[in-house]
Amino acid sequence: EVQLVQSGAEVKKPGDSLKISCQGSGYSFTTYWISWVRQLPGKGLEWMGIIYPGDSDTRYSPSFQGQVTISADKSITTAYLQWNTLKASDTAMYYCARSTPYNVDYWGPGTLVTVSS
Amino acid sequence: QSALTQPASVSGSPGQSITISCTGTSSDLGVYNYVSWYQQHPGKAPKLMIYDVTNRPSGVSNRFSGSKSGNTASLTISGLQAEDEAYYYCNSYTTSSTLVFGTGTRVTVL
Repeated sequence: EVQLVQSGAEVKKPGDSLKISCQGSGYSFTTYWISWVRQLPGKGLEWMGIIYPGDSDTRYSPSFQGQVTISADKSITTAYLQWNTLKASDTAMYYCARSTPYNVDYWGPGTLVTVSS
Repeated sequence: QSALTQPASVSGSPGQSITISCTGTSSDLGVYNYVSWYQQHPGKAPKLMIYDVTNRPSGVSNRFSGSKSGNTASLTISGLQAEDEAYYYCNSYTTSSTLVFGTGTRVTVL
């Protein structure tokens, strides 16, 4: 069974850094991509970027390029989404999802990130 | 890279069929047959319903079907049921080797 386990909810202050995680199991972690998707409160889905854990090939949506960093550690079948400087507008639910370059299939439960002073 | 355009809401009575449209451009949906559809109930993670325009993953009801013509893809739900009430999002591969979601459609079962 494909499973994606995401790290727990975070409450941070503006200016803080943060790295959230997504551990995959039940499939070959290095032969699928992992996408990250943002959902602002009460809003729609936004595709942020994608990584291929096999060789760390990474692509970003133009809207998120330079704003976040996507990485992966294939030795522990885990992908990461990282911010160096959080803003209040980063408050959202963040989903990781198993992907091919062409679509997303299995989704994690999401990590809620709240940024507030 | 703009979001694909979907109607904000669609409604229907139980047993009826409804169709949700998803309009893109010649940089995404109009070029590739890599269109997928997702169902999201409030407070839950999205679920894949259709991929590659017309294909249903194992376990998804055959009441859900997809199609595409030109720059517009469509998701049809036949025999509408109360459990189908949710948000639906389309998604397409793009010429920039990225993915883009639609704006989302709220489906209401009357």
